[in-house]
Amino acid sequence: GIQVEQSPPDLILQEGANSTLRCNFSDSVNNLQWFHQNPWGQLINLFYIPSGTKQNGRLSATTVATERYSLLYISSSQTTDSGVYFCAVDGGATNKLIFGTGTLLAVQP
Amino acid sequence: GAGVSQTPSNKVTEKGKYVELRCDPISGHTALYWYRQSLGQGPEFLIYFQGTGAADDSGLPNDRFFAVRPEGSVSTLKIQRTERGDSAVYLCASSLTSGGRSNEQFFGPGTRLTVL
Repeated sequence: GIQVEQSPPDLILQEGANSTLRCNFSDSVNNLQWFHQNPWGQLINLFYIPSGTKQNGRLSATTVATERYSLLYISSSQTTDSGVYFCAVDGGATNKLIFGTGTLLAVQP
Repeated sequence: GAGVSQTPSNKVTEKGKYVELRCDPISGHTALYWYRQSLGQGPEFLIYFQGTGAADDSGLPNDRFFAVRPEGSVSTLKIQRTERGDSAVYLCASSLTSGGRSNEQFFGPGTRLTVL
């Protein structure tokens, strides 16, 4: 089945810093979503981005489908950005999401 | 509008007992998914409903797990003869339908199941 790898596994930032999170996937996909799982466990939708570039406030994402990777950019990080960031893809005939192992982000004041 | 809701938020049970977990999807969403998340890992797919039927149940770990969605809205995940290894957060998601942008999945807050 399709494999999803995320890097880095852990990241510590000072408030105000920028960061880039990467998601690599092993096959073509129909759907790619980025989520933020907050400390209470809720998965929050950030982007639906099977291809192209999108921006939402301090966050932006780019997916290069032909090269099988996606990037999530966080600018001017805030302590509330802390948590786990997941990339998930849906490939082939099914609609199930395959999640990566996540990036644990800690933003320090 | 309201998001995906799940009840209960926490469930503690004893080994061997039967449990039911409920998911109420976003109104109008025809596709519903169950996932399971163990500590330190990403969610793993269990089962997917399109309407009332289970379109893909390939993620159910064994025959102790069963899910229904009789009227195409609310779904119940049922676990028989629970084992300690079933302890996890059970997440439900829904999407408008099953193709293109309408496949964007939205998740509920989860049910944390603890089997003692």
